[in-house]
Amino acid sequence: GQQLNQSPQSMFIQEGEDVSMNCTSSSIFNTWLWYKQDPGEGPVLLIALYKAGELTSNGRLTAQFGITRKDSFLNISASIPSDVGIYFCAGLALGNKLVFGAGTILRVKS
Amino acid sequence: KAGVTQTPRYLIKTRGQQVTLSCSPISGHRSVSWYQQTPGQGLQFLFEYFSETQRNKGNFPGRFSGRQFSNSRSEMNVSTLELGDSALYLCASSLLTGTNTGELFFGEGSRLTVL
Repeated sequence: GQQLNQSPQSMFIQEGEDVSMNCTSSSIFNTWLWYKQDPGEGPVLLIALYKAGELTSNGRLTAQFGITRKDSFLNISASIPSDVGIYFCAGLALGNKLVFGAGTILRVKS
Repeated sequence: KAGVTQTPRYLIKTRGQQVTLSCSPISGHRSVSWYQQTPGQGLQFLFEYFSETQRNKGNFPGRFSGRQFSNSRSEMNVSTLELGDSALYLCASSLLTGTNTGELFFGEGSRLTVL
């Protein structure tokens, strides 16, 4: 079936650093989405991308829909402590199946 | 407006028992999806209901079932619980059929522990 490979699995950030994570697949997706889950909460939609090549920003977050439609990345600029959490990519393919990546855990360096 | 409400938030069961989880979607939302979340596995799709009909189903055994009522509230049931069923069960609602857009509103989840 369709699978999303999300990387990195986890990362440590220092406040002020830029962060990058990505999602790849061997399958084509029509929509890419990025969700964030805070501890004890359900995931919240951050950004949705609907067209290949689309670059969309939401505050300090920027995400792109890969031109091949098989990948997407999320960048967070100038990270702050409340950015910690789990970030999930999700792809919507033909047949309306929504597939989630395994998540990237963002932690703060102490 | 109120978000997605899931009950109970936490529960502990033993192997062989069954469990029912409840989800109340955002008012006006007609689609409810259920996901199982375990560490390292991400979100695994269970099923989606729209207007009381199951529209999509994931690759879970028949022990996992669900239903949706006329007021869009949904329940999922897991029978003959196994240790591996321990997970966070997330419900998500959307205005239309959620998987058409991928834009879902999640509840806080029901954390099930099977002993």
